[in-house]
Amino acid sequence: NAGVTQTPKFQVLKTGQSMTLQCAQDMNHEYMSWYRQDPGMGLRLIHYSVGAGITDQGEVPNGYNVSRSTTEDFPLRLLSAAPSQTSVYFCASSDPSGGNREQYFGPGTRLTVT
Amino acid sequence: AQSVAQPEDQVNVAEGNPLTVKCTYSVSGNPYLFWYVQYPNRGLQFLLKYITGDNLVKGSYGFEAEFNKSQTSFHLKKPSALVSDSALYFCAVRDIRDKIIFGKGTRLHILP
Repeated sequence: NAGVTQTPKFQVLKTGQSMTLQCAQDMNHEYMSWYRQDPGMGLRLIHYSVGAGITDQGEVPNGYNVSRSTTEDFPLRLLSAAPSQTSVYFCASSDPSGGNREQYFGPGTRLTVT
Repeated sequence: AQSVAQPEDQVNVAEGNPLTVKCTYSVSGNPYLFWYVQYPNRGLQFLLKYITGDNLVKGSYGFEAEFNKSQTSFHLKKPSALVSDSALYFCAVRDIRDKIIFGKGTRLHILP
């Protein structure tokens, strides 16, 4: 299993540009989520999904869109990038059934918005 | 609304001494609690979890955590710290709607 994969690893955007961060998992996990990590702020939940076709907002959803058309993929879209979105983005997945509720994290995408 | 507090930005411990990293939480219903560790320039790795049952849970790398319902705490502990334990530690709580919130993290420095 590849686990949770994220692309790209690094990205530089200009203010106002849009892009999609890709996330995929091959563990058949129903639950997937996106976080951003900023110094002193910890990990903040952007959006999450409990299954294909179902998404919900986290703590900091503004400026981001998600969709979940398949179990495997959970892309994060930045609609119009702003310098405040400079961060490291992590995707995670878990199997909420049974006792295995811990999340598996991808390697992260480092995004810089100039 | 659910929340997680890690009151210490940094904890310094001498190698060989016991360590504690504190976490308190607020959530509706029964909590699912987790600890994760992040080594420099790496993603997050799962350490341990409390779902139900015994209040003392054991995890990876010799870590354990104690769930205290009355104090709404889930402190991470290790009897004897290693220099290699130096990392960033995150506490997390999952609520009944499967929303998982993390604390701000505690940087653990183990001094040789």
